[in-house]
Amino acid sequence: QQQVKQSPQSLIVQKGGISIINCAYENTAFDYFPWYQQFPGKGPALLIAIRPDVSEKKEGRFTISFNKSAKQFSLHIMDSQPGDSATYFCAASLDSRSTLGRLYFGRGTQLTVWP
Amino acid sequence: DAGVTQSPTHLIKTRGQQVTLRCSPKSGHDTVSWYQQALGQGPQFIFQYYEEEERQRGNFPDRFSGHQFPNYSSELNVNALLLGDSALYLCASSAPGTGRGNTIYFGEGSWLTVV
Repeated sequence: QQQVKQSPQSLIVQKGGISIINCAYENTAFDYFPWYQQFPGKGPALLIAIRPDVSEKKEGRFTISFNKSAKQFSLHIMDSQPGDSATYFCAASLDSRSTLGRLYFGRGTQLTVWP
Repeated sequence: DAGVTQSPTHLIKTRGQQVTLRCSPKSGHDTVSWYQQALGQGPQFIFQYYEEEERQRGNFPDRFSGHQFPNYSSELNVNALLLGDSALYLCASSAPGTGRGNTIYFGEGSWLTVV
């Protein structure tokens, strides 16, 4: 059972445009939601993360929007650049000492930004 | 400050053989988790170690085993390799504490090909 569902599978955006990736989760106990960026041949790198006590978090061009009642969260990349072309994964976890580290990942979104 | 380091970066094994992958966590981190990432998929949690004990385990057979050493480094062992074990194996580490506010960092991974 896929605990975190991610869409779209692939996304093509023009340079300067907005990239939007959506995720939905099942387990209402999840309380930590990170996004990872992965380039080919590399490990995932933490991009931004949010906890359900806030509805939005912004870091530079990256924003997470969180809707607790709908069990959905999304990543917005403003002013998308060719260097943003990568695979993006959403994830969820129970944020406690004994459970942190077990991340449930979505299947990933391959983002291509055309110059 | 070195991040999460893994070795080897690439290796090729024959079906039925055994493999050992190694991981050194980020400085100051005491918890190590291992993930398997098949091509085109999101990482899947294998297990987590802290205080030299396996604390959580994902849905992986007993052929997958691990160990954590007093210096917090860790090994992943896979016995009786199958073709389906071909994947990128990722090590992740996190810091001690209550869990909230911790960040999980990934290494570059070890590419395992089983032929």
